[in-house]
Amino acid sequence: DVKVTQSSRYLVKRTGEKVFLECVQDMDHENMFWYRQDPGLGLRLIYFSYDVKMKEKGDIPEGYSVSREKKERFSLILESASTNQTSMYLCASSKRTPDIQYFGAGTRLSVL
Amino acid sequence: RKEVEQDPGPFNVPEGATVAFNCTYSNSASQSFFWYRQDCRKEPKLLMSVYSSGNEDGRFTAQLNRASQYISLLIRDSKLSDSATYLCVVVSGGYNKLIFGAGTRLAVHP
Repeated sequence: DVKVTQSSRYLVKRTGEKVFLECVQDMDHENMFWYRQDPGLGLRLIYFSYDVKMKEKGDIPEGYSVSREKKERFSLILESASTNQTSMYLCASSKRTPDIQYFGAGTRLSVL
Repeated sequence: RKEVEQDPGPFNVPEGATVAFNCTYSNSASQSFFWYRQDCRKEPKLLMSVYSSGNEDGRFTAQLNRASQYISLLIRDSKLSDSATYLCVVVSGGYNKLIFGAGTRLAVHP
């Protein structure tokens, strides 16, 4: 079974804090993705990566950055958290592009 | 206009009912389509791929209508365990990205 693991299920941070969300996959997938999910808006792509040290902006990259130093790990960074970044964050991976994506359990982030 | 649109529901149906969801997409160049299922407070999981010829997996049938740019999901003999949100997913022709609809919520009651 594909396993995508996100480091935290719930996080509470303060405005202006730097926040790291970690994601690890164990299936040697080339591609990894970060989404946020908000009611009525569905999943929106923040960033994705097709290879180590490679990153591409998704549809809503503003206020976020990413890091992929190793194939299995893809990190999402909120440089200075703001209240409008309160959301559910989902990491996904896939073998090819395009292909079925497998999701982690999600991190529910609250920024106060 | 959103790239992928779904009726948000909720669809409230009794056990044993047949229910159908539609999803429309705007990019005529889209090539691949999926249905995902998401339980409350859980991650989305693939339910089934949607093939041009239509496909069936047990009680679930997916259809693609390219001319009208919509896909559908039919669930027969609904079970309580089918209660979830169903996400329509379209591979965007220009970028090979997956575009997710906002989801249709299904509630099956006894």
